[in-house]
Amino acid sequence: DAKTTQPPSMDCAEGRAANLPCNHSTISGNEYVYWYRQIHSQGPQYIIHGLKNNETNEMASLIITEDRKSSTLILPHATLRDTAVYYCIAYTGGGNKLTFGTGTQLKVEL
Amino acid sequence: EAEVAQSPRYKITEKSQAVAFWCDPISGHATLYWYRQILGQGPELLVQFQDESVVDDSQLPKDRFSAERLKGVDSTLKIQPAELGDSAMYLCASSSRPGQLYGYTFGSGTRLTVV
Repeated sequence: DAKTTQPPSMDCAEGRAANLPCNHSTISGNEYVYWYRQIHSQGPQYIIHGLKNNETNEMASLIITEDRKSSTLILPHATLRDTAVYYCIAYTGGGNKLTFGTGTQLKVEL
Repeated sequence: EAEVAQSPRYKITEKSQAVAFWCDPISGHATLYWYRQILGQGPELLVQFQDESVVDDSQLPKDRFSAERLKGVDSTLKIQPAELGDSAMYLCASSSRPGQLYGYTFGSGTRLTVV
């Protein structure tokens, strides 16, 4: 699976959009971009995934560049409960293991 | 909403002692994973089961770690003897089939401290 690069930390004001970037310049054509988050002392939680097209669900939006070398996770109206570590993962699925990096620590403040 | 159950939630043990963690996956989930997460790092896969069979244990330190899923339902991860470097969060996850990423559901983990 392709390696991903994320900033170690980001801050966001409550109520504003949080835009979390991820670089995956070596991603292959059959690898999806997945996002998970981990709130302190809990297990990781699935957020969203995509292949080429932008995706949106009740939690977030995922914007993938046309060349698929980078993506951005958008939390449209961040709340204090969105404070967590966010992991961007390039993954083919199948029987391959899910590999986490160190993620981005998002801190949402008043 | 169905959950992955793990126990204990916290465990403190002395080095050289044995310790065990238990995981009960979501009912019907055939695939079960054990991950270890050292503070400040992302989770790392230790072992993957498909039903009662081990699919991947390449990152499991087999000299001291063992894992079993005898009836293909719940699972136990054991460390004997525990070392100071084993202090970490041990996470269990399950999915209905391998590689179904959004179907991975993680438990809340067991926080192990070795003193």
